[in-house]
Amino acid sequence: AQKITQTQPGMFVQEKEAVTLDCTYDTSDQSYGLFWYKQPSSGEMIFLIYQGSYDEQNATEGRYSLNFQKARKSANLVISASQLGDSAMYFCAIGGFTDKLIFGTGTRLQVFP
Amino acid sequence: NAGVTQTPKFQVLKTGQSMTLQCAQDMNHNSMYWYRQDPGMGLRLIYYSASEGTTDKGEVPNGYNVSRLNKREFSLRLESAAPSQTSVYFCASSESLRAGVSYEQYFGPGTRLTVT
Repeated sequence: AQKITQTQPGMFVQEKEAVTLDCTYDTSDQSYGLFWYKQPSSGEMIFLIYQGSYDEQNATEGRYSLNFQKARKSANLVISASQLGDSAMYFCAIGGFTDKLIFGTGTRLQVFP
Repeated sequence: NAGVTQTPKFQVLKTGQSMTLQCAQDMNHNSMYWYRQDPGMGLRLIYYSASEGTTDKGEVPNGYNVSRLNKREFSLRLESAAPSQTSVYFCASSESLRAGVSYEQYFGPGTRLTVT
């Protein structure tokens, strides 16, 4: 069975600072993918970034990067130069041999001026 | 290109009533999913369909049925609604499965369902 743990229910960061959102996972699959989604207060789920288990380099997408440490089973999301619009819930998810995704409980990020 | 659409956006039901949530995608994806989101619980998979004509149970299937009507459409039915089914329901779709490869899922806007 797969499991995602997000231990930070809430995080605060000042505008223009960087912030790291933690995600640890557990899986018995050899090949898997890790995903991060953003859910603003409007409710939609927005895909941010993907990391494959065999990818040698950490994934990056604009201001988002994924700090992937396979041995520690962690896939932390780093947001650089935070903006007020980054205030949202952030969910980490894992997908394995099947195409099902298992989500964590999320971290609420609040960016203040 | 609308992506994933869901209807209705809001619904209030009385206990015991039935209803069907509709979902359609125009991205030619083979795989489709239904999730529910409850406060503090994240998203939990109800049912999914890896391809047209197939459906499988997810983590919380009890009280729900699904139909993969065609490649585009995947509906979720509540036969006898209960207050415990009050939640936000999301439909999602993704590319076809390749063994050991996961694809990002694209989500609809959600349906907020209240059962009284």
